[in-house]
Amino acid sequence: GENVEQHPSTLSVQEGDSAVIKCTYSDSASNYFPWYKQELGKGPQLIIDIRSNVGEKKDQRIAVTLNKTAKHFSLHITETQPEDSAVYFCAATINNDMRFGAGTRLTVKP
Amino acid sequence: DAGITQSPRYKITETGRQVTLMCHQTWSHSYMFWYRQDLGHGLRLIYYSAAADITDKGEVPDGYVVSRSKTENFPLTLESATRSQTSVYFCASSELRGSGGYTFGSGTRLTVV
Repeated sequence: GENVEQHPSTLSVQEGDSAVIKCTYSDSASNYFPWYKQELGKGPQLIIDIRSNVGEKKDQRIAVTLNKTAKHFSLHITETQPEDSAVYFCAATINNDMRFGAGTRLTVKP
Repeated sequence: DAGITQSPRYKITETGRQVTLMCHQTWSHSYMFWYRQDLGHGLRLIYYSAAADITDKGEVPDGYVVSRSKTENFPLTLESATRSQTSVYFCASSELRGSGGYTFGSGTRLTVV
């Protein structure tokens, strides 16, 4: 995932607060940006995605924003709950390959 | 996930041994992928397959071999395991490559001693 940088690597928030994870990508031709959630002992699971013709997408407490000019996109989780604790990966397509960020470990403290 | 299964879940092998990780999907997805997950690197693509008998290298293919004789199976073989191949391996499938969500298996934790 060297072409996709993800920050922060760890994030701890209080239950009810918001969490924001940011990613940047290098290929201006990238047009698909999914986010995955990985719970302990499981494989990554797609939670939301956005395509390059859209600036923002929302699904209940989760939203993703995309800034194509700056080549960065972000995951926003509002009203966090303990079950949101997991590792989150962003990804971007580069030459039709899905390249992943290094992951963010989110901990939501009750 | 019910539709994509990996086996074994855990494997310990010795340096130099051959080991095969299995992946089976029930959705008849065209594409299948093998990723390895290492701390600080996220998920890196090893090999992928567009259909039966069509495979291609990913970002980190050295030391690995794949085959796809049937659409539903995509085994990954380490011909002569090395300690640097200690990792968690994930298989994934998708109808599209790079423009749709991938469905991942639960992973195989491989330790090479």
